[in-house]
Amino acid sequence: SQQGEEDPQALSIQEGENATMNCSYKTSINNLQWYRQNSGRGLVHLILIRSNEREKHSGRLRVTLDTSKKSSSLLITASRAADTASYFCATVLNTGGFKTIFGAGTRLFVKA
Amino acid sequence: KAGVTQTPRYLIKTRGQQVTLSCSPISGHRSVSWYQQTPGQGLQFLFEYFSETQRNKGNFPGRFSGRQFSNSRSEMNVSTLELGDSALYLCASSWAPGTGNTEAFFGQGTRLTVV
Repeated sequence: SQQGEEDPQALSIQEGENATMNCSYKTSINNLQWYRQNSGRGLVHLILIRSNEREKHSGRLRVTLDTSKKSSSLLITASRAADTASYFCATVLNTGGFKTIFGAGTRLFVKA
Repeated sequence: KAGVTQTPRYLIKTRGQQVTLSCSPISGHRSVSWYQQTPGQGLQFLFEYFSETQRNKGNFPGRFSGRQFSNSRSEMNVSTLELGDSALYLCASSWAPGTGNTEAFFGQGTRLTVV
């Protein structure tokens, strides 16, 4: 099963509104990363938060991490139509090499 | 700096055939990982290579194999193709200094269709 599980599976909002996506994971992690994927294309890295960090900002993005609850959230403020994409959380497991495990993703649709 | 390049972008193969996909990582990156993405299973980890060695492997049958060359370029091979192998195959490279605290840079993927 997936290491990371995103919630909700899909989200539809109006331009200008905020979008919040959640991710839960199962095992101890080194860090957690968020990626964006536009329809059928490669993933783009958004932000990395280390296990000893609780919150991180990057432009309109805000990521929180709660290691006690094994969960993270991604907040996109003042959303734009161009933010329409799928968003994935990813955790890195150190198993001798590094294995990045992705969640199922949240499909975000921002209506203009 | 050139990004991760995957070739070909699209491929149509017949059941039973084999296929080889190529990935050229960002210059200087030594780690290359491969993923399979399907609507039903999402993004599934296939394997990771570092300095020509496979360090990690996902839960895929032996029909899926890969290798990495001395210049860090990587190939993955799927033999005896099945309809269920139709997917977007993504390659990602990273610097991978040994901590795992590095972002991965993805290519645009190869869309494989098995008919």
